[in-house]
Amino acid sequence: AQSVTQLDSHVSVSEGTPVLLRCNYSSSYSPSLFWYVQHPNKGLQLLLKYTSAATLVKGINGFEAEFKKSETSFHLTKPSAHMSDAAEYFCVVSVIYTDKLIFGTGTRLQVFP
Amino acid sequence: DAGVIQSPRHEVTEMGQEVTLRCKPISGHDYLFWYRQTMMRGLELLIYFNNNVPIDDSGMPEDRFSAKMPNASFSTLKIQPSEPRDSAVYFCASNPGGGYGYTFGSGTRLTVV
Repeated sequence: AQSVTQLDSHVSVSEGTPVLLRCNYSSSYSPSLFWYVQHPNKGLQLLLKYTSAATLVKGINGFEAEFKKSETSFHLTKPSAHMSDAAEYFCVVSVIYTDKLIFGTGTRLQVFP
Repeated sequence: DAGVIQSPRHEVTEMGQEVTLRCKPISGHDYLFWYRQTMMRGLELLIYFNNNVPIDDSGMPEDRFSAKMPNASFSTLKIQPSEPRDSAVYFCASNPGGGYGYTFGSGTRLTVV
């Protein structure tokens, strides 16, 4: 069975400092992985996706993620946090042979001025 | 494209009443998903459709919940009778298939009192 584990439920950073949100996955197959963002009282927006092409994936708003098979990780990074990045972030894996998505428990990112 | 459209945005109802949530997917998207989000359980997949046919309803919590997709442009999620524990944000999402990520609607916040 496929699953994702988000290693931090909360992350706090200062504006202008790097962001690292950690995600490990479990899959018997080469997975499709995604990061979604949810701002307060909003729907979920796709940040980026990995589908077995380049291992470094660039997304919107300056975010990127690197697929590391040896570490079964798909961590999300951004060089410099902005106040508007404060939100909940979900790491997601696609279930093989279906279009079902399995969501992690989420990481709440706080950005302090 | 207007995206995935859900209605209503907010619904407050009394316990025992019937509640109907509505969703219009993106035109051309073959898959439609209903998710429920709560603080305690996170994002849960309730049911999904492919070409208007229900594929997996194993996440529907009990017989009080039902979902239909009479055509490619409309789906409903019905709760009858509603209970306070059904209070949550219900999201609809669609995707074109092929491993692409979902596009989510803005959600319906349901409160059952």
